[in-house]
Amino acid sequence: GENVEQHPSTLSVQEGDSAVIKCTYSDSASNYFPWYKQELGKRPQLIIDIRSNVGEKKDQRIAVTLNKTAKHFSLHITETQPEDSAVYFCAATRPSGTYKYIFGTGTRLKVLA
Amino acid sequence: ETGVTQSPTHLIKTRGQQVTLRCSSQSGHNTVSWYQQALGQGPQFIFQYYREEENGRGNFPPRFSGLQFPNYSSELNVNALELDDSALYLCASSLGGVGPADRFFGPGTRLTVL
Repeated sequence: GENVEQHPSTLSVQEGDSAVIKCTYSDSASNYFPWYKQELGKRPQLIIDIRSNVGEKKDQRIAVTLNKTAKHFSLHITETQPEDSAVYFCAATRPSGTYKYIFGTGTRLKVLA
Repeated sequence: ETGVTQSPTHLIKTRGQQVTLRCSSQSGHNTVSWYQQALGQGPQFIFQYYREEENGRGNFPPRFSGLQFPNYSSELNVNALELDDSALYLCASSLGGVGPADRFFGPGTRLTVL
């Protein structure tokens, strides 16, 4: 069935360093890959997304890369700041009437000052 | 902040009881999907409503049911509550029929089943 694996489950980095979170999806028909940031006790917030016709997308310190052949996509955060500390979720969806999101299990990122 | 609201914020129930959770979608959105997020896990898709009709369902038993109203707000009903139903329930609204549109999540309802 549809599945999204996410690694690592926890990640600690020093302020200013880069962080990379990786996801692998099983459904080759998936064509949209959003990333969400969820702070403690708050709603998931979309931070960046990528569609299957694009290999990379960047928005300031955040970038996402997609390798359709390997069914991998990754979130890259550069120059990390303490406010980047949160849980990050990747998701994948396929073209269907529902476009339901299949989420990864999350990565808890801690940026150490 | 998104325009998606949920009520109540927190809820405590006992096993066997029934619960109704509510979601108001963002203005202009005609699709509401519901997700269950257990502690330490990613959200799991429960079902989705598009223009008042259920158009997709995840691996949840029939005791999880829902409704969408003409104003596109939505309800999630859970009957015969079990301990494992304790979770954060998120609704997300979007504009359906236009592809994988962004989902805007509400703040969630935290349900505790004792």
